Amino acid sequence: DAKTTQPPSMDCAEGRAANLPCNHSTISGNEYVYWYRQIHSQGPQYIIHGLKNNETNEMASLIITEDRKSSTLILPHATLRDTAVYYCIVITSGTYKYIFGTGTRLKVLA
Amino acid sequence: NAGVTQTPKFQVLKTGQSMTLQCAQDMNHNSMYWYRQDPGMGLRLIYYSASEGTTDKGEVPNGYNVSRLNKREFSLRLESAAPSQTSVYFCASSELNNSPLHFGNGTRLTVT
Repeated sequence: DAKTTQPPSMDCAEGRAANLPCNHSTISGNEYVYWYRQIHSQGPQYIIHGLKNNETNEMASLIITEDRKSSTLILPHATLRDTAVYYCIVITSGTYKYIFGTGTRLKVLA
Repeated sequence: NAGVTQTPKFQVLKTGQSMTLQCAQDMNHNSMYWYRQDPGMGLRLIYYSASEGTTDKGEVPNGYNVSRLNKREFSLRLESAAPSQTSVYFCASSELNNSPLHFGNGTRLTVT
């Protein structure tokens, strides 16, 4: 599975868009990009995933570059409740090894 | 729907003791997983079960055994607990491979 690289921490002002980057330069054609978040010490929560097209749901948007080597998770209007650790992972279709890195610790500031 | 349920929520063991962490899901998912998370760290995959009757090693399987008892239940056993196994253990399930994971709320284990 492709490895991912994320900044260890980011701050964002409440009400502004939070843009969380992820680098996955060794991704291959059948690998999906998934995003999860973990609030406090709870179990991680699924946010969104994509293969090559941009995706949007009620929680966030996922922008994947054309060469698929990086992606950005966008929280359009961050709230204090979005303070969490965000994990970007890459999963090969047909496998089960979801490997998590250390993620980005996002702090939303009032 | 309870989702993924883990028991117990907290446990303290002495070195050398054994215990089994229980996990059950009510979403009729095919695949189940065990992760551990050490303080300030990301999650590491211990074992997974792609489907009922199968189990495979993850990143850090040493010191653990698993049993996929049926489609609903996937247990994790520590035969002889060590302080290095102090961690939070998360169970997860997914409908298929390449489906979103659904996590339980974790078991906080301390080995003294």
